This record gives sequence, C-alpha cells and structure tokens, in this order.
Amino acid sequence: EDQVTQSPEALRLQEGESSSLNCSYTVSGLRGLFWYRQDPGKGPEFLFTLYSAGEEKEKERLKATLTKKESFLHITAPKPEDSATYLCAVPTFYGGSQGNLIFGKGTKLSVKP
Amino acid sequence: NAGVMQNPRHLVRRRGQEARLRCSPMKGHSHVYWYRQLPEEGLKFMVYLQKENIIDESGMPKERFSAEFPKEGPSILRIQQVVRGDSAAYFCASSFPLGAGIANYGYTFGSGTRLTVV
Repeated sequence: EDQVTQSPEALRLQEGESSSLNCSYTVSGLRGLFWYRQDPGKGPEFLFTLYSAGEEKEKERLKATLTKKESFLHITAPKPEDSATYLCAVPTFYGGSQGNLIFGKGTKLSVKP
Repeated sequence: NAGVMQNPRHLVRRRGQEARLRCSPMKGHSHVYWYRQLPEEGLKFMVYLQKENIIDESGMPKERFSAEFPKEGPSILRIQQVVRGDSAAYFCASSFPLGAGIANYGYTFGSGTRLTVV
C-alpha cells in the first residue's frame, strides 16, 4: 500500500533560521511527488511537482528536492508569512493514467519574528 | 479566471439531516476529486469523478455518502442522515484531463466546506 510520511509534525523557527521538512514515501514506482501549502481555514495551494530523483525546484525561499526514497522542502531565511502547514502527496494511477493524491499528515511550520 | 468554487463555506446540520456540498471546478478542468480533512488529520481521498462518471469511490463510506458530477452544473457530495463523526472540512480539487498540465499546475483545491453536525 502506498504511504506518505512527513516529519516533523510541527516545527517552530525564528525568522531567518533555515531548516528542512521531510517527506518519505513508499510507492510501487514513483511517478511524481507534489508539495502543497495550506493556511488555516483554506484549501491546499500547489507549490511544486517533482518527477525524478535529483530534481530540484525553487520558489522564493522554498526549494524542493527529490531522492529515490524521500523529498525535502528546504526553507531558507524564513519569514513569519511562511507559517503554514506544508503537505506532501503522491499520485495514484488507474491503468497508467494519473488519479487521486495520497497525502501525508503535513508539517505545521511556525516562524516567529 | 475563477478557481475551484465550493459552497457553502460553512454548513451546520442536526443529526439525521442531509448535507449537500457543491463544487464547481476550474474552467477547463474535467476531473473532480473530493477529500475529507479531520482536525489534526491529513487529507483523505473520498471519490474521483469525471462528467457523468465515477472513476474511483474507494475512499467513500459505503453508506450515507454519495457523489455525482452531472453533465451540467457542479459536482455534489451528499451525506444522508449525518452523524457527529461527519463533522469535518470537505475539500474539492479539480484538474485538467489526466496527463495534461499536471506537472505544472498540479491539482487545484477549493477553500472547502466546513460541516458541523450538532
């Protein structure tokens, strides 16, 4: 059964203190990994898709990387507005076509000024 | 270009009543997914639909829950005879036809409907 595990569950940082969030997965043949950001009371907001080991993508202070067993979301010099829950997900497939996403429970990030 | 629209944003129902949650996908998206999020829990897949067709309902409880995506109009998630355990946030996501644009745009989520059963 495909599974996604995120760690830590919660992370508290001071503004400017860089860190990384982890997403490990057990899937039979990874064909994509998604990162989302979710603010309280809102739906998840798409950040990145990664497809192959070694791939990296960046957006402002965020950089996502992918290995064969896990993905990292690196946050460089975070600001209070980066506070949110970060979700990782992998897709399921139906006869070769991409279907729904399996989500981890997320990492709740708090950045204090 | 409006995103995924869900309504109502908040819904209060008494035990035993019916709840109807609506989702209008983004323009150009033909695939709809429903997820449920309980407090302190992750997003759990419920059902995946295309127009007039249920592709996968493996995450949907066998009783009291149903979903549809008619040829015209929004997708509807229907919960009959609600119980307190149904209280949760229900999110809808939509996407382009499979294989097209997923890498760049992912799945677009609505803001959710927060159902409270009293």
